[in-house]
This record gives sequence, structure tokens and C-alpha cells, in this order.
Amino acid sequence: GENVEQHPSTLSVQEGDSAVIKCTYSDSASNYFPWYKQELGKRPQLIIDIRSNVGEKKDQRIAVTLNKTAKHFSLHITETQPEDSAVYFCAASKPGNQFYFGTGTSLTVIP
Amino acid sequence: NAGVTQTPKFQVLKTGQSMTLQCAQDMNHEYMSWYRQDPGMGLRLIHYSVGAGITDQGEVPNGYNVSRSTTEDFPLRLLSAAPSQTSVYFCASTPAPTSGGYTFGSGTRLTVV
Repeated sequence: GENVEQHPSTLSVQEGDSAVIKCTYSDSASNYFPWYKQELGKRPQLIIDIRSNVGEKKDQRIAVTLNKTAKHFSLHITETQPEDSAVYFCAASKPGNQFYFGTGTSLTVIP
Repeated sequence: NAGVTQTPKFQVLKTGQSMTLQCAQDMNHEYMSWYRQDPGMGLRLIHYSVGAGITDQGEVPNGYNVSRSTTEDFPLRLLSAAPSQTSVYFCASTPAPTSGGYTFGSGTRLTVV
């Protein structure tokens, strides 16, 4: 089955700085890669996703990049704000299969 | 449009007791899944369903049963609760795994004493 590894497990940045979270996957057939944000005590919520036919996708201050050859994808948050503090999960899936999640990154943005 | 509704939000069980966690979605999603979330372990798949009448096991199925008699409902049954099942449980649904991400329910925090 798929194996998704996520790094780092914790990340602290100063407000206004950028944050980068990286994930690797093992199954070359995986072709859909969503990212979720989970605030304390809340449910995970989809924030951005990317498909394997695209190398990069942006949505305001967040962006995701995908390197199919190396089998890794990354979440980039620019101009971080305190409300970006949360746990972020990456995931990978392929047609007919379920999502496999990374173990999460706890991001703290220091005002 | 309520999305994914989970009940109860909190539950305390004694070891050996059984219970059912309810999950319902009103988005006509074919795929539904149950995950458990433990500190440092991320989200681990318990069981999933690709449509009414079809279920399959995930990574950590032992001690849990599921059924999917309708598209809307996907209950999770704990057969004989154990302290190792203390966790936060999330139900989630999607039209298909590569057509969009999951919509999660609000979670059930279960404590087994």
C-alpha cells in the first residue's frame, strides 16, 4: 500500500515569515494530493489540493508543489499569520483507493 | 445541507461495553470512511465503503464493525470496548478519492475506562 511521510512534525515561525511542509509518497500510481488544516479541537478541513498533471497550484497565501519524479509534494504558506497556527496533514490517493495521510505537522506562528 | 453529521460528540464507555458511532451525510457521496486520530499517529483508516452494500477494512480494523445499508449512513460499531480504543473518531465522505478531498464530520471523542 501507499506510505506517506511528512516532515517536520513541528514547525515554529515568526509572523510574516514563510512555512514549508514536505511530504513524500511511495506509490507512483497516486495522482491526487490534498492538504488539510486542523485547528485545535476541530475537524480537518481541505485547504488546497493538486493533481498529478499539475506541478504547482496557488490560492492566495498558500501554494502546493508536486515533483512526480521524486515523489514528493510540499505546502508553502507565505506571510504567515497567527491564525495559520494549526496541524496540517498531507494525503495521497489514486483511483479506486482511499486516502493515506501523513502524520501531521504542528505549525505555530509566533506573533 | 448539513454535510457529514456524527453523533455522539463525546462518549465514555466501560471496558467490555459495546456502542455504535453514527455517521450520516447528505451530499450523495459514494465513498465514506472512518478514521481514528491519536496523538503523533495522524489519521488511521479503520473501515471504508465505496457504496451502499460494500465495505472493506483499512489499516486498523480490529475491534470494529461497519455496515452500509444506504448511501447516507455509515455506522461504526465497537464490539467490546478496550482502553486502546480511546481516541477521536472521524467519519468522512467524498464523491471519489481523486475527484475531491474528504468532508469530515465533527468527530467523536471516545474514552474507554
